[in-house]
Amino acid sequence: GEDVEQSLFLSVREGDSSVINCTYTDSSSTYLYWYKQEPGAGLQLLTYIFSNMDMKQDQRLTVLLNKKDKHLSLRIADTQTGDSAIYFCAPDTGRRALTFGSGTRLQVQP
Amino acid sequence: DGGITQSPKYLFRKEGQNVTLSCEQNLNHDAMYWYRQDPGQGLRLIYYSQIVNDFQKGDIAEGYSVSREKKESFPLTVTSAQKNPTAFYLCASSNQGGEKLFFGSGTQLSVL
Repeated sequence: GEDVEQSLFLSVREGDSSVINCTYTDSSSTYLYWYKQEPGAGLQLLTYIFSNMDMKQDQRLTVLLNKKDKHLSLRIADTQTGDSAIYFCAPDTGRRALTFGSGTRLQVQP
Repeated sequence: DGGITQSPKYLFRKEGQNVTLSCEQNLNHDAMYWYRQDPGQGLRLIYYSQIVNDFQKGDIAEGYSVSREKKESFPLTVTSAQKNPTAFYLCASSNQGGEKLFFGSGTQLSVL
């Protein structure tokens, strides 16, 4: 099955850029999603990229995809305290359900 | 507003008791899912259903049961066979299997 790896923790200062990385094993992924989870809440879809793209920009968010290395990253520009949350990557292989990474906890220090 | 509603927000289970978590959606989605989240871990798939009256086991189905009698509803029962039920349970739905998911706000289940 799909295996998705993320680092567990990232700490940045307010105003800096944050980069959250994800590696996956299934090369047949069509869409690759980023979700955000705030404490005690469900997951919200943040952004996604189609597998035939290398990059997608959406306001402060930039998603980079390296299909050869099966590496996905999410860059948040001008990180704010409200960005503190857990971020999950989830490649969509078209199979039964999305497989999620362990999540990266982003802590933004004022 | 369209969305997914999970209830209750908090639930306590006594030893040997079965408890049922509710999940209702009005997004007209065909597929619905239950995930379990433990602290510091990702989401693990318990059960999923791609159509009414049909459902499949996920990766950690033991000790759980589901039903899908209506398109809008996908309740999860945590049975007494589930020896470590304390976790955050998330319900989700999508238009089709494997597509982007929309999540409910979760139910925190704890053991008394």
